[in-house]
Amino acid sequence: EAGVAQSPRYKIIEKRQSVAFWCNPISGHATLYWYQQILGQGPKLLIQFQNNGVVDDSQLPKDRFSAERLKGVDSTLKIQPAKLEDSAVYLCASSFGLAVSYNEQFFGPGTRLTVL
Amino acid sequence: QKEVEQNSGPLSVPEGAIASLNCTYSDRVSQSFFWYRQYSGKSPELIMSIYSNGDKEDGRFTAQLNKASQYVSLLIRDSQPSDSATYLCAVKASNTGKLIFGQGTTLQVKP
Repeated sequence: EAGVAQSPRYKIIEKRQSVAFWCNPISGHATLYWYQQILGQGPKLLIQFQNNGVVDDSQLPKDRFSAERLKGVDSTLKIQPAKLEDSAVYLCASSFGLAVSYNEQFFGPGTRLTVL
Repeated sequence: QKEVEQNSGPLSVPEGAIASLNCTYSDRVSQSFFWYRQYSGKSPELIMSIYSNGDKEDGRFTAQLNKASQYVSLLIRDSQPSDSATYLCAVKASNTGKLIFGQGTTLQVKP
């Protein structure tokens, strides 16, 4: 079974530029998550989708971050404009569903973003 | 108070010893608990999930949950140098279902 796919793996941009990350979840997984992991910290949830609907985006900085999952499969996370403090690893994860027995989340390899 | 707390370490144990990693959480009604292993430069890998009080064993790993004390732990028996990594405790929030992670404990297993 193929895992969660993400691209690109690395991205370097200058502040105020825009950037987009792509994620394709495990086949059949209805729930998709975007996390931000700053060095030395645990992942922090940015947004959670159930199929193509948003379940939780309470910690997404909506003035600069946006995400979509239009067809309920792959997803794109965008930052515009980027700030220095956005330098982090952006992790995508997926799970079969939200019920207790289906909530195990599996992570993709992540995208390491450096903002100069 | 942080929602999920872990000692950042590093925790250093000799090869073959038992490593004990601890985690406390603040949401009393949380129901799902997870341990992830993260090697340097890699993404988190799920190693254990536990949903009810008591112990759950999987190979050299044992997860322990005590909901009354709001405490979850991970024991690694016969620790190997390949176990050297950061171990992340994650708790599923009762209201939204999202995972809340601790900052992770760095484990060093010395040959």
